[in-house]
Amino acid sequence: QVQLQESGPGLVKPSETLALTCTVSGDSIRGSDFFWGWIRQPPGRGLEFIGSTYYSGSFSYNSSLESRVAISVDTSRNHLSLRVTSVTAADTAIYYCARVSLTTDYYIDNWGRGTLVTVSS
Amino acid sequence: SYVLSQPPSVSVATGKTARLTCAGNNIERKSVHWYQQKPGLAPVLVVYDDTDRPSGIPERFSGSNSGNTATLTISRVGAGDEADYYCQVWDSDTDQPVFGGGTKLTVL
Repeated sequence: QVQLQESGPGLVKPSETLALTCTVSGDSIRGSDFFWGWIRQPPGRGLEFIGSTYYSGSFSYNSSLESRVAISVDTSRNHLSLRVTSVTAADTAIYYCARVSLTTDYYIDNWGRGTLVTVSS
Repeated sequence: SYVLSQPPSVSVATGKTARLTCAGNNIERKSVHWYQQKPGLAPVLVVYDDTDRPSGIPERFSGSNSGNTATLTISRVGAGDEADYYCQVWDSDTDQPVFGGGTKLTVL
């Protein structure tokens, strides 16, 4: 059973960089059947795609965030990382790590528990 | 980009059937997936590819997709079904998931 666990600071100051890590167990992020990505949810609001990566090294980012976001992969540690630069209060959200199944259509078949990141001085 | 519209809230009496809609242009040409999110928890996939259920999801949850509207139907609704429900499709133009705004299901 695959498990995804997000980790990182829960509080980030405005204008600084948010950095999170997702540790994957029970599956390899080098597999070809899945994308791996990040989704966030501001308090009381809906789901927003941030970005995803595929084992081939390709990336896809939400165009509204692309200039500030970077996803990286550490295959030796089976880690997925997220960096968001120049954060503001609008970046306050629960950040989820997600596995996107590619077997038929594309849907998220596994989610991490999520980690709340608050942007505040 | 592709847009999905969901009613913000739906109420249904205990034991009745809830029908949650997700509207999109020619949505029938896409595969629609549904997630249930209870307070404080991560979303959980309840229907994928319009009509299929992941292992462990009760048969009370079913999906359909026709024309410009996809529907998640929950029969014999109970208090445990109170949650936010999100529909999702994959936008092949941007290679990204698109989510509806979510519907809060209240069980009376």
